[in-house]
Amino acid sequence: DIQMTQSPATLSASLGDRISITCRASQNISRWLAWYQQKPGRVPKLLMFQATTLESGVPSRFSGGATGTDFTLTINGLQPDDSGVYFCQQYTSYPLTFGGGTKVEIK
Amino acid sequence: DVQLVESGGGLVKPGGSLRLSCAASGFTFSSYTMNWVRQAPGKGLEWVSAVKSTSAFIHYADSVKGRFTISRDNAKASVFLQMTSLRVEDTAVYYCVRSGRGFDSWGQGTLVTVSS
Repeated sequence: DIQMTQSPATLSASLGDRISITCRASQNISRWLAWYQQKPGRVPKLLMFQATTLESGVPSRFSGGATGTDFTLTINGLQPDDSGVYFCQQYTSYPLTFGGGTKVEIK
Repeated sequence: DVQLVESGGGLVKPGGSLRLSCAASGFTFSSYTMNWVRQAPGKGLEWVSAVKSTSAFIHYADSVKGRFTISRDNAKASVFLQMTSLRVEDTAVYYCVRSGRGFDSWGQGTLVTVSS
């Protein structure tokens, strides 16, 4: 099974900050990686797919990066609506696996 | 608009069974792989099972293999999850999810509670 190691577990930042969340795959997943945002009591929302492609309607302050088996989700100019938990997921092979999540808090 | 509506959750005793249903609308259901993903209270996301468009390929997480059965009815645009031998650790919100651009559409979820 492919393990997805996500860091940090928690991130606290100020409005306007640039933040990055990292996800490392235990083996090659090409670019078959997605990022999701989940707010408390809400359904996860797709932000990014194929590692770097922004889902329709997602603000352009979100961007994705990929280098080998390391992937990043970057938010440029943190906004109040960006608080929540972020998950990465590989979808190259079964079982599909998620990272453990990163909780983003606004200071 | 894509809509996925789950039903069938509830309280069940350990060892019991439950059948979840998901009714889809707003897209060509028969063209998509469908999944069940669960989330235990206060925990992360766990993929449970997937069924390809024609049911030719079905996959399960090891944690549910042999106990859960996924199926679909393309004529009724529905996907199902038959859960047997339920355990306390199966307690979670179960989401019906479409595979498109990643997991691009999610239902609102149905809560399954396994407790004596």
